[in-house]
Amino acid sequence: KAGVTQTPRYLIKTRGQQVTLSCSPISGHRSVSWYQQTPGQGLQFLFEYFSETQRNKGNFPGRFSGRQFSNSRSEMNVSTLELGDSALYLCASSGSPRSGLAGGLNEQFFGPGTRLTVL
Amino acid sequence: AQSVTQLGSHVSVSEGALVLLRCNYSSSVPPYLFWYVQYPNQGLQLLLKYTTGATLVKGINGFEAEFKKSETSFHLTKPSAHMSDAAEYFCAVSASGYSTLTFGKGTMLLVSP
Repeated sequence: KAGVTQTPRYLIKTRGQQVTLSCSPISGHRSVSWYQQTPGQGLQFLFEYFSETQRNKGNFPGRFSGRQFSNSRSEMNVSTLELGDSALYLCASSGSPRSGLAGGLNEQFFGPGTRLTVL
Repeated sequence: AQSVTQLGSHVSVSEGALVLLRCNYSSSVPPYLFWYVQYPNQGLQLLLKYTTGATLVKGINGFEAEFKKSETSFHLTKPSAHMSDAAEYFCAVSASGYSTLTFGKGTMLLVSP
């Protein structure tokens, strides 16, 4: 199976611009989560989508938004970029519970990330 | 709410030495615990996970971790470090198998020859 893919891998924007990042989950996976990784704050959860619906949301301002399409691909958008939005944005996908697995765990598989630099 | 504390932002070991990366968690419900590894310019790879049952969990690349409820700890160990183990390691907790992950700040493992 192909892994989680994220595009673009690198992006440079200026303050005030907006940006859209894309994530293609592993085939068959219906849940996509987004995380922001910065040296200061570490890994922080942004939001999770499941079957085109936002199921969970982290503590980020409304400038951060996302969506999921019927094929489970997901995009996240950041509007009015700030210097502090410079980060590695990671996408993770997970599938349906596998029968017999203790706790019905949905293991999350991470993509390589998109490195966003805001100048 | 869950939280994770990883002691030591950097840990240095010699090749062949024991690796010990510390993780303490806080959770209001029985936790699901994870260790991930991140190599430069890459995403996170799952090393091992604890859900229920046996408290000593074995993962990939010779790593293992022990869940100690009384100490609220989930330390990661490897008997003998290899140069290829140099990476950043993250401990994470979730409230269930379907909940979002809360990560620690990460520990950079440096391995010297």
